[in-house]
Amino acid sequence: AQSVAQPEDQVNVAEGNPLTVKCTYSVSGNPYLFWYVQYPNRGLQFLLKYITGDNLVKGSYGFEAEFNKSQTSFHLKKPSALVSDSALYFCAHTGFQKLVFGTGTRLLVSP
Amino acid sequence: GAVVSQHPSWVICKSGTSVKIECRSLDFQATTMFWYRQFPKQSLMLMATSNEGSKATYEQGVEKDKFLINHASLTLSTLTVTSAHPEDSSFYICSVKTGRTEAFFGQGTRLTVV
Repeated sequence: AQSVAQPEDQVNVAEGNPLTVKCTYSVSGNPYLFWYVQYPNRGLQFLLKYITGDNLVKGSYGFEAEFNKSQTSFHLKKPSALVSDSALYFCAHTGFQKLVFGTGTRLLVSP
Repeated sequence: GAVVSQHPSWVICKSGTSVKIECRSLDFQATTMFWYRQFPKQSLMLMATSNEGSKATYEQGVEKDKFLINHASLTLSTLTVTSAHPEDSSFYICSVKTGRTEAFFGQGTRLTVV
């Protein structure tokens, strides 16, 4: 079955430090991978996607993600975390239509 | 990207009544929309795929008679929770997606059944 996994329920980081939110995938064929962010009681906002091309993908709000085929990973990164980055982050994969989400990782950035 | 508007943002209803949630694609003609349900501190669970002009496709375990979906136009899909019960209380989110591009989500509807 096609799936994505987020091994960490929560990630804590101090403001100004780099952050990483992990995602691994299990997909047959070419993976189409996404990162979304959700703030409390809100829908999901698109951050970035990997379809093809450069393994380092840059997205919104200073986030980037690195596609690693050998490790089947697509970790989300940011060089310097902000308190306002605190939210719920979802990794997702899509086939032709459906989005399959990971379980989500809560990011807490402390002042 | 596409702008998706979901209404209402929150609703409280009495047990046994029905609630309708609207999902509008404001700047994109969406032949397909998706409805998700999210429990507290959990991921999104796909409930059904809404197809314009035809019946929705429900995921396994989702009661089609309880969660009625209508996609009458290219810009509007509705989800009606019929005979709501407290266990239907949840956060419902719709989305629009084409092919393998990113999906665009509504702001969600918090349903509380009392």
